Amino acid sequence: DGGITQSPKYLFRKEGQNVTLSCEQNLNHDAMYWYRQDPGQGLRLIYYSQIVNDFQKGDIAEGYSVSREKKESFPLTVTSAQKNPTAFYLCASSISRINQPQHFGDGTRLSIL
Amino acid sequence: ELKVEQNPLFLSMQEGKNYTIYCNYSTTSDRLYWYRQDPGKSLESLFVLLSNGAVKQEGRLMASLDTKARLSTLHITAAVHDLSATYFCAVDTYNFGNEKLTFGTGTRLTIIP
Repeated sequence: DGGITQSPKYLFRKEGQNVTLSCEQNLNHDAMYWYRQDPGQGLRLIYYSQIVNDFQKGDIAEGYSVSREKKESFPLTVTSAQKNPTAFYLCASSISRINQPQHFGDGTRLSIL
Repeated sequence: ELKVEQNPLFLSMQEGKNYTIYCNYSTTSDRLYWYRQDPGKSLESLFVLLSNGAVKQEGRLMASLDTKARLSTLHITAAVHDLSATYFCAVDTYNFGNEKLTFGTGTRLTIIP
């Protein structure tokens, strides 16, 4: 079945460590997105990409980095510069410039050790 | 800066009752989405509203959009326990040709038997 796969489901980070969250989709969608969700809050956009080898900062990009080398993959690295990384991270994809909803993965919960 | 506000933030209602969730936004847009999120889970698309006056219905849920008032509503009819979840609205704005969703803070709905 087509969908979005995020891994791992749970991730722990030590102080000063970079960690990478995986997001893979087999929906043939052009656009991919990364959101952060804090407890009891809505989603905030970190980065998004409308096409391979191109991406834009969202509202809270500081301390994060991404790459888009393949259409299917949009990994997110949480760097040591992100001082408060504990959150639920959601990856989404959509067909670009067509009014269809974004499809979401099951999320990665990141915690600090 | 676009702001998307939902109210109420928390809603407890008895089974069989009707209620409405409101979503106000601060900039011009004629594309609005409603999503549902169960605890610890991903987001599920409910409705896509693409024009002023748009109305969509699915089961006990009905969503509408008034672009002039910058207001969308999600109406629940004869609530049942299965509708307990957090509901998010999201406004779509074009950012230099790239689509971008801004989410509301969510409404946590609890249906009491």
